[in-house]
Amino acid sequence: SQQGEEDPQALSIQEGENATMNCSYKTSINNLQWYRQNSGRGLVHLILIRSNEREKHSGRLRVTLDTSKKSSSLLITASRAADTASYFCAILTGGGNKLTFGTGTQLKVEL
Amino acid sequence: GAVVSQHPSRVICKSGTSVKIECRSLDFQATTMFWYRQFPKQSLMLMATSNEGSKATYEQGVEKDKFLINHASLTLSTLTVTSAHPEDSSFYICSARGRGGNYGYTFGSGTRLTVV
Repeated sequence: SQQGEEDPQALSIQEGENATMNCSYKTSINNLQWYRQNSGRGLVHLILIRSNEREKHSGRLRVTLDTSKKSSSLLITASRAADTASYFCAILTGGGNKLTFGTGTQLKVEL
Repeated sequence: GAVVSQHPSRVICKSGTSVKIECRSLDFQATTMFWYRQFPKQSLMLMATSNEGSKATYEQGVEKDKFLINHASLTLSTLTVTSAHPEDSSFYICSARGRGGNYGYTFGSGTRLTVV
């Protein structure tokens, strides 16, 4: 399967702490994307990192990419209760047209 | 920014009936639309890819006669679940992609289908 594997499957932290989620994949990629999904809702694009980039920042988000290990991580700093959601990594497959998602990490940030 | 509207957000239907879900790109032309299915606490599984004016391409294991996809215009794609059964109950999400670029997938807000 080309689907990415994410760990942990679930993560529960206190507000203010950092949350780190990891994603591993199997194919070569041009880029890797991270998405967020609130319960019962659609997905929101968070950040894209290209294969020639090693790290990228956006606000409280920091994404790293290690193409030699075929892995990526998403770090959310100073987490807030509103960050509670599921987070998915995704890569383009099928000739670069289909977006294939990882298994996801359910993050719960408690007050 | 790009907006995709998906309706209905929730639908309950009886076994044996058909349900249509609409996905509209509101401010851009969606050359390609994707339909995903998601079970509780699981990832999104791609069901099919549709290009405007052509037949949809279904993923392995997805019954094309059961999940009818129509992409008649650059702003509208529909998924019809025919002869629905309780096991079809799931969360269905569409995604639309405009012209150019290697990202820029915009997702609808999803449809919760419950078949009773």
